[in-house]
Amino acid sequence: DTGVSQNPRHKITKRGQNVTFRCDPISEHNRLYWYRQTLGQGPEFLTYFQNEAQLEKSRLLSDRFSAERPKGSFSTLEIQRTEQGDSAMYLCASSLGGVETQYFGPGTRLLVL
Amino acid sequence: AQSVTQLDSQVPVFEEAPVELRCNYSSSVSVYLFWYVQYPNQGLQLLLKYLSGSTLVKGINGFEAEFNKSQTSFHLRKPSVHISDTAEYFCAVSGITDSWGKLQFGAGTQVVVTP
Repeated sequence: DTGVSQNPRHKITKRGQNVTFRCDPISEHNRLYWYRQTLGQGPEFLTYFQNEAQLEKSRLLSDRFSAERPKGSFSTLEIQRTEQGDSAMYLCASSLGGVETQYFGPGTRLLVL
Repeated sequence: AQSVTQLDSQVPVFEEAPVELRCNYSSSVSVYLFWYVQYPNQGLQLLLKYLSGSTLVKGINGFEAEFNKSQTSFHLRKPSVHISDTAEYFCAVSGITDSWGKLQFGAGTQVVVTP
């Protein structure tokens, strides 16, 4: 399967703990996006990379959130000092270019207790 | 900035009946428009997209959508649904000045197909 993969698929953590999610995009895609989806809502944009450069961050992304894409391949999204409001599905997508189709991974579902 | 309104949160429909999912958008610039489908426990999958040209766009699985600039709408239709079309459908918009393709999604419409 050469689609977008995300790990872990599920994560349960206690409030205050740090968590890290990984996204592996389709290999030739230079653009990578992170979105967050809460129950009953559509995905909300969080941040975007072109190759290894992080070019845009949403105001939704507080300073407890950090994302990296070393070497322009996989990406990680870390949440420090998790809060219950961080509970959501975190989606990763990749594409060849700006309006090229974004291919989504299955998501990582986070539950903060 | 752009915003998307999906007018129906849930649409029940009988198998082999037609379905229309409504989407309206707001934007100060020209836009690209998309419909994605999310099956249970799966990632979002692109159904179709409008970038330019013909306002009637055909997608996968027999779906089509029509871009109406004057009404700022992009409604999705299928003439005859199957049980397997049960899923959540998201309309999304991207401003053409956003060269990096940031998508603004609607809240989604849950389609439930019953025999």
